[in-house]
Amino acid sequence: GAVVSQHPSRVICKSGTSVKIECRSLDFQATTMFWYRQFPKQSLMLMATSNEGSKATYEQGVEKDKFLINHASLTLSTLTVTSAHPEDSSFYICSATGTDTTNEKLFFGSGTQLSVL
Amino acid sequence: DAKTTQPTSMDCAEGRAANLPCNHSTISGNEYVYWYRQIHSQGPQYIIHGLKNNETNEMASLIITEDRKSSTLILPHATLRDTAVYYCIFPTGGFKTIFGAGTRLFVKA
Repeated sequence: GAVVSQHPSRVICKSGTSVKIECRSLDFQATTMFWYRQFPKQSLMLMATSNEGSKATYEQGVEKDKFLINHASLTLSTLTVTSAHPEDSSFYICSATGTDTTNEKLFFGSGTQLSVL
Repeated sequence: DAKTTQPTSMDCAEGRAANLPCNHSTISGNEYVYWYRQIHSQGPQYIIHGLKNNETNEMASLIITEDRKSSTLILPHATLRDTAVYYCIFPTGGFKTIFGAGTRLFVKA
């Protein structure tokens, strides 16, 4: 089945630094990728929708200059948390769908736990 | 706002069937219902999906009401490893998905 790989699984950084999270579709072409964040004991909150070759569409309340999304190829999307602060600490999850995915499922990465000190 | 409504939590005895309901009264005629589950600190895992007919796979069964406004996920023989948060969703165009709070299922020995 289709696989989405997300890296790193865990990152700890100092306040003010930037962190990049990668999301790769390993065996299909991901025309659309989604980024979510999740706080402890809460549900997934959609941050943005990323289509290959075009600018990401951000949900209301999500700062596009804070969370930079790049989807330059059909197998890779990146989320960069710029000038991270402790309140950005969260679990970030990507998902992908596209051509060759069986039965039009949405496939999720394993998530990245970001801790900002 | 989430478009689905699920119980906050449910308990189930190990080996018994777990029946998880979901209301999705605003679903459109061509939108599929999907079920995912999330174990702590992992990404959501696909379980099953359906449009109108009931569906069954190696993990679960999905019962969709005739008016499609609700569905029930059935885990026929729950195990301790089925303890997780279960989400029912119906993606809109382009697979954009808003998650509700889900149901926290506790399977007890």
